[in-house]
Amino acid sequence: SQTIHQWPATLVQPVGSPLSLECTVEGTSNPNLYWYRQAAGRGLQLLFYSVGIGQISSEVPQNLSASRPQDRQFILSSKKLLLSDSGFYLCAWSVPGQGETTNEKLFFGSGTQLSVL
Amino acid sequence: GDSVTQMEGPVTLSEEAFLTINCTYTATGYPSLFWYVQYPGEGLQLLLKATKADDKGSNKGFEATYRKETTSFHLEKGSVQVSDSAVYFCALRSNYQLIWGAGTKLIIKP
Repeated sequence: SQTIHQWPATLVQPVGSPLSLECTVEGTSNPNLYWYRQAAGRGLQLLFYSVGIGQISSEVPQNLSASRPQDRQFILSSKKLLLSDSGFYLCAWSVPGQGETTNEKLFFGSGTQLSVL
Repeated sequence: GDSVTQMEGPVTLSEEAFLTINCTYTATGYPSLFWYVQYPGEGLQLLLKATKADDKGSNKGFEATYRKETTSFHLEKGSVQVSDSAVYFCALRSNYQLIWGAGTKLIIKP
């Protein structure tokens, strides 16, 4: 069976410090991978998605970046965190869809609550 | 652009009460609609979905009907349990991505 691991569960970081959140998927190959963020009181916002190693698409401009060094590994990073980066970050995967569509069956990790102070 | 609006929480109910969590949307075309649930300490899970007008999605005693005339997809359950305590997200699929509501925290007291 497929599983998705995301860590850490909670993180408190000072403004200006770097960030690295890691997500790995097991039991499947060549998944689509996603990073979402939920800021307090707002809906989930798609930050990045990836359809393959080294292929990253960014949905919103920000000081975050993502990398996919291996097929089932997706990393969210920042060189210098801002207060506005606080939020709940979710990694997700899905089976690749047909053409430009995506399968709506997203499988989510348990999330990381990031507080930037 | 496309958007989803759902009722603010938290919603607190007693066990066996009737549940309604409102969700309305704006979208061009005919989106698919979804409810996801996140139980404490777990990842998000797809609860139910509907792909066209008048479709009813159902799962685990929850139901939601795709109402195109009112652009709504309200989540209902006839008798809630303590184990239903979770955060519920309404979402629609627009082109190749999901558009999410802000989530509604549901608290069920015994």
